[in-house]
Amino acid sequence: GQNIDQPTEMTATEGAIVQINCTYQTSGFNGLFWYQQHAGEAPTFLSYNVLDGLEEKGRFSSFLSRSKGYSYLLLKELQMKDSASYLCAVSLGGGNKLTFGTGTQLKVEL
Amino acid sequence: DGGITQSPKYLFRKEGQNVTLSCEQNLNHDAMYWYRQDPGQGLRLIYYSQIVNDFQKGDIAEGYSVSREKKESFPLTVTSAQKNPTAFYLCASSIDLAGGYEQYFGPGTRLTVT
Repeated sequence: GQNIDQPTEMTATEGAIVQINCTYQTSGFNGLFWYQQHAGEAPTFLSYNVLDGLEEKGRFSSFLSRSKGYSYLLLKELQMKDSASYLCAVSLGGGNKLTFGTGTQLKVEL
Repeated sequence: DGGITQSPKYLFRKEGQNVTLSCEQNLNHDAMYWYRQDPGQGLRLIYYSQIVNDFQKGDIAEGYSVSREKKESFPLTVTSAQKNPTAFYLCASSIDLAGGYEQYFGPGTRLTVT
């Protein structure tokens, strides 16, 4: 199957840390991407994981466990501009066709 | 500046009309993709192309057609056979079709059919 599950909405406070989870049940897994999408705009690339472990990039980190079919995106020192939808996408087979989750709408409050 | 352009940003059509959405990239990428995005749903792949004059159906190709006559261009035609064409359409490109390359997205075209 190609189910990709992530929470629909999350709310967090400015300056805090938030973790957005993504689980997937898919055959031919080839890697996992996280994208950020502000309303009405194009998705922008955040991170890519193909091996187990944590990838850190500034305030954003992404973790992958292939055996558990699980990933998370960790956002630190939240800012108001981080309010956006976060899309988890899985690369299948030997190619770069992506299957996207429905996205997690994150709202950052004062 | 390199990037992907889509035009127009908003498009309105009457039911029964075909409409073509443009997508141009100057990133020298081989692979290009078309997605549609509906509220509450993830991006769904319509068509993709690995190289000029070659393209493949994605998960929801019915009612759509594409062409890839130039490396830089990958226009999408929404035909009258598409039952529910109103959506946000996103074009993307990547270096090639091999796994692991990020896809760069254009700004999108919001199509409304009434």
